[in-house]
Amino acid sequence: DAGVTQSPTHLIKTRGQQVTLRCSPKSGHDTVSWYQQALGQGPQFIFQYYEEEERQRGNFPDRFSGHQFPNYSSELNVNALLLGDSALYLCASSFDLRETQYFGPGTRLLVL
Amino acid sequence: GENVEQHPSTLSVQEGDSAVIKCTYSDSASNYFPWYKQELGKRPQLIIDIRSNVGEKKDQRIAVTLNKTAKHFSLHITETQPEDSAVYFCAASKTNFGNEKLTFGTGTRLTIIP
Repeated sequence: DAGVTQSPTHLIKTRGQQVTLRCSPKSGHDTVSWYQQALGQGPQFIFQYYEEEERQRGNFPDRFSGHQFPNYSSELNVNALLLGDSALYLCASSFDLRETQYFGPGTRLLVL
Repeated sequence: GENVEQHPSTLSVQEGDSAVIKCTYSDSASNYFPWYKQELGKRPQLIIDIRSNVGEKKDQRIAVTLNKTAKHFSLHITETQPEDSAVYFCAASKTNFGNEKLTFGTGTRLTIIP
C-alpha cells in the first residue's frame, strides 16, 4: 500500500523564481491538503483540493496556487519566490474529505 | 479562526517515566483532535486522534484526553522509551461539513533521557 509521496525531496531556488512541487496521495485517497512548515514551527495550512477544485484556503497570498489532477495527484506552485518562502512543504491526503490526514515526507525548499 | 496553544515547548523525561503534553484550542466548534509525532527530518506521523464525542482514548502506551468545556486536550505517554524522542504536534479541526483545515500547535520537543 503506497503512502503519500512527494517530489522533489530538496530544491534550491533564487528570489523571484517560480517553483512547482508535486504530491501523490495515499492509495485510495482523493483529497489533498498542502502545508508549509517553517523551521521550528508547526505546519500551516495553505489549501485543500477535492474533486479537482480548491475547497478551502489558508492565509497565503495568491503567489501560492495549486492544481489537482483526475488521478488525485496535486501540484503546488509558488511564484515570485521570497526568502521567507524557505520551508518544508508537506502534502497530506485523506479519503472523501474525512478528517484523518496522512502526510508525505515533504519537499524542503531553500530560497537564496 | 482557530488558535491552538501547546505546552511545554520542550520536555525532558527519564526513560520509563511518563510524559504529558497539553493543548488548548479557541474554537468551540472544533471536534477532531489528532496528535502527530515528527522525528528529525521525517514526515509528521499520526499517532492517535480523538473526536469530541469521546473523553478519552488509549492505544498501548499512548492516551489522549479531551475536556470540551475547558477546550483543552492532552497527550499522555507512559513507560517512555528512547524512541519516543521526537517533536509532538497537536492539532484541531472542524469536520461538520467535510474536513476543515488542521490548525497545529507550535510543537513540543520531547527528549527521553536513558
